[in-house]
Amino acid sequence: EADIYQTPRYLVIGTGKKITLECSQTMGHDKMYWYQQDPGMELHLIHYSYGVNSTEKGDLSSESTVSRIRTEHFPLTLESARPSHTSQYLCASSDGQGSLSYEQYFGPGTRLTVT
Amino acid sequence: SQKIEQNSEALNIQEGKTATLTCNYTNYSPAYLQWYRQDPGRGPVFLLLIRENEKEKRKERLKVTFDTTLKQSLFHITASQPADSATYLCALDHAYSGAGSYQLTFGKGTKLSVIP
Repeated sequence: EADIYQTPRYLVIGTGKKITLECSQTMGHDKMYWYQQDPGMELHLIHYSYGVNSTEKGDLSSESTVSRIRTEHFPLTLESARPSHTSQYLCASSDGQGSLSYEQYFGPGTRLTVT
Repeated sequence: SQKIEQNSEALNIQEGKTATLTCNYTNYSPAYLQWYRQDPGRGPVFLLLIRENEKEKRKERLKVTFDTTLKQSLFHITASQPADSATYLCALDHAYSGAGSYQLTFGKGTKLSVIP
């Protein structure tokens, strides 16, 4: 079992609310990622980080933002939730050499529903 | 455009048989390819990684092949068991945004059901 944690596991929230999805890992990995996955669909990368104070947007445009102030912590924030943000959000980390990304360890995910 | 295709959305197989899942890709030149298992409502779990210069990789009942000429990977589960029922994802690394970084792109997955 990977040492990567996400909270909350499930979240139902009204439109317009600000939310933060938490992700923490205890493996000391420099690289962390956020993916979005709809049922039956592929994972899409929305944010990644190669270390403290490093964040980049992924290939799927997202209105969310991330921060990386500590190696082990990579929270994702939505300033104003909308029904279109309803999805499964998966956090992952990896320990690759240089720019290469080796196997990724995933958290259990947060299922977000915006009403 | 870049595309990853996994042979079918669902595959049913009898317990004890070998399950074979296919991953085809176009317009990629991956340095390596990975396979993950995902159970409903959970995050993917890494299974195997195979590099472009490797033809085959094995781990217990799992075997992966990688043919860069055909742009295809095959994932085999021998002596399949009901506990092997899950969705299996293939993932390719690729250079991302010209920033000298490599990211994984995932296929949609194949849902395997092993029938007792």
